[in-house]
Amino acid sequence: QSALTQPASVSGSPGQSITISCTGTSSDVGAYNYVSWFQQHPGKAPKLMIYDVSDRPSGVSNRFSGSKSGNTASLTISGLQAEDEADYYCSSYTSSSNWVFGGGTKLTVL
Amino acid sequence: EVQLLESGGGLKQPGGSLRLSCAASGFIFNNYAMNWVRQAPGKGLEWVSGISGSGGGTYYSDLVKGRCTISRDNSKNTLFLQMDNLRAEDTAIYYCAKCIGTSGRRPIDFWGQGTLVTVSS
Repeated sequence: QSALTQPASVSGSPGQSITISCTGTSSDVGAYNYVSWFQQHPGKAPKLMIYDVSDRPSGVSNRFSGSKSGNTASLTISGLQAEDEADYYCSSYTSSSNWVFGGGTKLTVL
Repeated sequence: EVQLLESGGGLKQPGGSLRLSCAASGFIFNNYAMNWVRQAPGKGLEWVSGISGSGGGTYYSDLVKGRCTISRDNSKNTLFLQMDNLRAEDTAIYYCAKCIGTSGRRPIDFWGQGTLVTVSS
């Protein structure tokens, strides 16, 4: 199972919006609405930000939103804040009854 | 409060074995599927294995299939990972992770702090 494809890095200024893409195949992202997004700060465990493509767990800011079109899912962060600077990973359920992660995207807040 | 506490990491010999444990608290353990996810130093997340809430369904990454066994003791609220024939590329932080529901199709919603496994002679 190949990893999902994410850009290595994205950046934005405080207050701006950014979008991180996550491209898979018709056997994972395109097959199920089971895409999640995780935020990971250095030295910390990942934190769930979005699940089932666009649902937000309680306690996660509504500045975080998710969507999907075909084999590509996206995470959008609006009103960027310094604390959003972190690594972001997407993941998807697959037709092999497994989970696959993206390679990760480093978000820099300028 | 949900808590997941991994143990069993450390320095392991190539070709050797490891048994990781994850003690869970703060939720009804047998109602939730669980996963192991690893992260090599400076690298991304890699799903290793998952198990349904009842333990009747187990799932493995192609990278570890045949070398790994995931199991759980619902009477002791503990998740396990046995990995044999260890290789240098198994060096990573191993995270125990709780799913949203009982099925392996449900996503991870909480992670432990991880236990570092280093495979080296």
